[in-house]
Amino acid sequence: DIQMTQSPSSLSASVGDRVTITCRASQSISNYLNWYQQKPGKAPKLLIYAASSLQSGVPSRFSGSGSGTDFTLTISTLQPEDFATYYCQQSFSTLPYTFGQGTKLEIK
Amino acid sequence: EVQLVETGGGLIQPGGSLRLSCAASGFTVSSNYMSWVRQAPGKGLEWVSIIYSGGSTYYADSVKGRFTISRDNSKNTLYLQMNSLRAEDTAVYYCARDDGGDGHFDLWGRGTLVTVSS
Repeated sequence: DIQMTQSPSSLSASVGDRVTITCRASQSISNYLNWYQQKPGKAPKLLIYAASSLQSGVPSRFSGSGSGTDFTLTISTLQPEDFATYYCQQSFSTLPYTFGQGTKLEIK
Repeated sequence: EVQLVETGGGLIQPGGSLRLSCAASGFTVSSNYMSWVRQAPGKGLEWVSIIYSGGSTYYADSVKGRFTISRDNSKNTLYLQMNSLRAEDTAVYYCARDDGGDGHFDLWGRGTLVTVSS
């Protein structure tokens, strides 16, 4: 199985900050990398798919980049509603799909 | 409105069985790849199973041989039959739509909690 490793596991930041979360795959996954946001008690929400494509309705302050094994999610200017847990997920050709362990973004 | 609604969760003893349902509205389940994803309390996300539009099914090793994914086209509903349940199956179970078959989940249900305990 392809292992996904996110860093950091937790992050404290302030409203208005620029934040970057990293995701590393255990083997090349081309651009088959997706990012989700999850708030407590809620289902995950798709933010970015195919490494850098913004899902419809998601604010443009969210962006993704990378290919191969290294990927990043960037939030350009943190808003109060962005404090949540973020997960990367690989959807390369071979099942199972796997998720990173999550990055909890907290208010400083 | 396009949505997914899961039902069927609850408290079940180890070794028992449970069937989860995921009713879809606003789109056709059989025309899409559909997955189940679970989340143990306080833990991360784990993909469980997928059914392709053509009907092929696949499972995570952790549930293979115990869980069965299926769908009822007439009811536009996805199912997950869970047998021989274990304590480690305790989780919120989400159904999710795989948009375009690229493996990214663009639509999720609210989830249903399954607790396996004596």
